[in-house]
Parts: sequence; C-alpha cells; structure tokens
Amino acid sequence: DSGVTQTPKHLITATGQRVTLRCSPRSGDLSVYWYQQSLDQGLQFLIQYYNGEERAKGNILERFSAQQFPDLHSELNLSSLELGDSALYFCASSVTGSGTLSIGYTFGSGTRLTVV
Amino acid sequence: DAKTTQPPSMDCAEGRAANLPCNHSTISGNEYVYWYRQIHSQGPQYIIHGLKNNETNEMASLIITEDRKSSTLILPHATLRDTAVYYCIVRGTYTGANSKLTFGKGITLSVRP
Repeated sequence: DSGVTQTPKHLITATGQRVTLRCSPRSGDLSVYWYQQSLDQGLQFLIQYYNGEERAKGNILERFSAQQFPDLHSELNLSSLELGDSALYFCASSVTGSGTLSIGYTFGSGTRLTVV
Repeated sequence: DAKTTQPPSMDCAEGRAANLPCNHSTISGNEYVYWYRQIHSQGPQYIIHGLKNNETNEMASLIITEDRKSSTLILPHATLRDTAVYYCIVRGTYTGANSKLTFGKGITLSVRP
C-alpha cells in the first residue's frame, strides 16, 4: 500500500457519460498530480494541484477538469466520454513546498476506465 | 520533448546484475536524474534519484557519469519480480510549474529464470 488511495479501481461507462475519479494523497502530502496512461500514449501528465490551487496543466482535454479540496483529496472529472478516453488514470502525491526538492512522487494503484 | 534516451528493452538472468543505461546529454546543472519503474499496469514506483554523486539505496544503485550526460541504474541481483518498465527522468528543483515528472517510453526489463 503506497498510501495514495484511488477510487474506484475499475469503472465501465458508456460514451457521452460523465465520471468522477477520486484520489486521497499520502498523509502530509500537499501536491496531487493526475496522469493518464493509454496503450499507445504512455504516461501523460494531466494536471497538478498544490494545497488546493492548480499549479500546472499538461495535455488535459477541455472535457476534463479537476479540483483539490481543503482536506487535500482530489477529484478528476471526465465528461462527454469517448471511446478514446479508455485508459488507466493515476494519481500521485508528493511533499513539496516552493523551493523544496521533492523526493519523488508516490503513485496510487490507478483507476481503469473503460468507455463502451 | 524527451530529455532522456533509453533503449527500448533488455533482458538479464535472474540473480545477475541488471544495468539499465540512460542518456541525458542536455541535462542542466540543477537537474536531477530520477528512476521509476512500473510493473504491469501498477502505479509507477520511485526507485532512486541523484544529482552528480553515485547513490545507493535498498532497491538499487545509481551511477552518474562525471559529465552527467548519462547514468546507469543497477539492480544488483535481479529477480523475476523486477520485470517491469523502467523510466529515467530528469527534472530540476521544484518550482511549482516545473515539478511535474515527464515520462518517456522507458526501457522494458525482462528477467529470465
């Protein structure tokens, strides 16, 4: 158990639907990162939050959004789902403060999303 | 834009050392080298990182060349459970927007019995 909890582990939904993926970071970690991993794309960075604020955006579609709550858990919302959104979605957390070198991320076990 | 270059795959015999190379010829002075691995669809796992000195922990050793343009991850006694994709990543010190880790294709290590 890495300490980063992602729910649900598996999700099957139909095209056009909306889903929410949840991530609870490791205790004490302030940063949350979301990654998408599909078969042909590898691990793609989507978005980062630090202590409730968005810090960096990667290749995140406009149909996707995220937020980090005061208790530091984060949710990734995926809407108008398409077949191509089927992928593993990973959340990672790290202890970071401005100017501090992170010792590395801790990843959760991921949510496998299947869009049918 | 990839900052590291790794061969696509390699294999080694169980019990032998696995030496995984990585080229990062454009690395900047303040950039660290990180290694992660991903075992079959599990979340990537942090292994080790270093700046310029060689590093060792309970999982592996990291050897960085003096010019820092390449490095080698060494798994001293590979087991079947070490079969995974290994990612070499370079990243500078955390500055908010620059804190993300960018994963390339990695190297697939196959440990054979």
